[in-house]
Amino acid sequence: GESVGLHLPTLSVQEGDNSIINCAYSNSASDYFIWYKQESGKGPQFIIDIRSNMDKRQGQRVTVLLNKTVKHLSLQIAATQPGDSAVYFCAENFRDYGGSQGNLIFGKGTKLSVKP
Amino acid sequence: EAQVTQNPRYLITVTGKKLTVTCSQNMNHEYMSWYRQDPGLGLRQIYYSMNVEVTDKGDVPEGYKVSRKEKRNFPLILESPSPNQTSLYFCASSSRRNEKLFFGSGTQLSVL
Repeated sequence: GESVGLHLPTLSVQEGDNSIINCAYSNSASDYFIWYKQESGKGPQFIIDIRSNMDKRQGQRVTVLLNKTVKHLSLQIAATQPGDSAVYFCAENFRDYGGSQGNLIFGKGTKLSVKP
Repeated sequence: EAQVTQNPRYLITVTGKKLTVTCSQNMNHEYMSWYRQDPGLGLRQIYYSMNVEVTDKGDVPEGYKVSRKEKRNFPLILESPSPNQTSLYFCASSSRRNEKLFFGSGTQLSVL
C-alpha cells in the first residue's frame, strides 16, 4: 500500500480534544492557502481555504488562521473525532513579486492520530 | 456525484513499456493537473492544463507526456517508464487554477 505517511510529524490527541496543526509557508507574496486531508489509501480532500486578505476563516468544526508576518498557517479542528485521523497538509498558491502565478506548493504533511 | 476518476488503481510494469493512466472529471472543470506523491517529498506537479489543447509543464515533467483533447479527460502518458517513476500518482481538477482541487483516488505505479 501507499507509504506517504513515512517520517511525517505526528500529532496524537484524545477524542473530543481540539487539534492544532501548523504549517510554515515559503513566500510572502503567496496569496491563497488551502488545507487538505488525506486518509490512508485515498486522494487528498479539500477542507478549507483562505486568501491573504483575511487572517481567519471558519468552517464546520475547522478554523484556519493565517499569520502573514511570520508566514504561518494553522488548522484548528474542534472536538476531534476518530474519523479525523489522517495526514493533513497545507498548500500555498505561489506568486512571484511581479504578481505572476506559479505552481501550488504543498507542505509535507502532519499525521493526526485520534485516540478513542 | 462530482468526482475525478483515474484508472488503473494499481499498475505494475517493466522498464520501457509504454503506459497510460487515464483521468476523467464530471464537473466541467477547465483546469486539470497531474501530481506524484513520494514519501518525504510531498505532492509535486507533473503537468497541468488550463483548458482543451492547453497544457504546460509543472515542477517534474521529465519522462511524462499529457494531452487534453476533451475537457473532461487528461491522460498521463509514460512513453518509456523507468524505476524512478515508481510513485503514487494523482489527477486533480478545479474550476480555477490551484483553487479547491478535487483529487482522484490515486494510481500506485511500480516500474520494475
